[in-house]
Amino acid sequence: GESVGLHLPTLSVQEGDNSIINCAYSNSASDYFIWYKQESGKGPQFIIDIRSNMDKRQGQRVTVLLNKTVKHLSLQIAATQPGDSAVYFCAENIKTDKLIFGTGTRLQVFP
Amino acid sequence: GAVVSQHPSRVICKSGTSVKIECRSLDFQATTMFWYRQFPKQSLMLMATSNEGSKATYEQGVEKDKFLINHASLTLSTLTVTSAHPEDSSFYICSARTSRVADTQYFGPGTRLTVL
Repeated sequence: GESVGLHLPTLSVQEGDNSIINCAYSNSASDYFIWYKQESGKGPQFIIDIRSNMDKRQGQRVTVLLNKTVKHLSLQIAATQPGDSAVYFCAENIKTDKLIFGTGTRLQVFP
Repeated sequence: GAVVSQHPSRVICKSGTSVKIECRSLDFQATTMFWYRQFPKQSLMLMATSNEGSKATYEQGVEKDKFLINHASLTLSTLTVTSAHPEDSSFYICSARTSRVADTQYFGPGTRLTVL
């Protein structure tokens, strides 16, 4: 079946360190992946996306890596800040016009 | 750009009443809008997909007669929870997508529904 899962439900990092949030997906037909950030009581906020014909994409302080061989997606946040504390979701699009969301990882940033 | 709003942000209602939630794309035309629900500490679950001017497509297990969706214009979709019960209490989130950016969905801030 289709599933998108995360290895770590909670990630705690010190301010200034780099964060890596992982995601595994099971559908090899997925062609588009997105990372969203959700703060408490708010809707998901788009962070970065990547298509299946790429293996890396960089944004401002964030990098997404895609490994299609092992069906793995990761989000790297450089110099993590307190404002990065939130729940992060990966989502995949499998050409069905729908997004399937992973279970989420809570990122906690300590001073 | 790509701002999506929802109204109301919070609503409390009595069991048996109906509640309407609005989702608006403020600076773009949304050919497709999606409705999700999210329980505490859980992920987003897609309820239905609506295209402007046509009937919504509901996910398996979602009652279309209970969750009425209308997408009458390119900037507005509404979700009406009919005869709400306490188990319908949840965080309802909409998203919108343009035809210019085929896949990116932009999410609204969510509506917290509490049914007493």
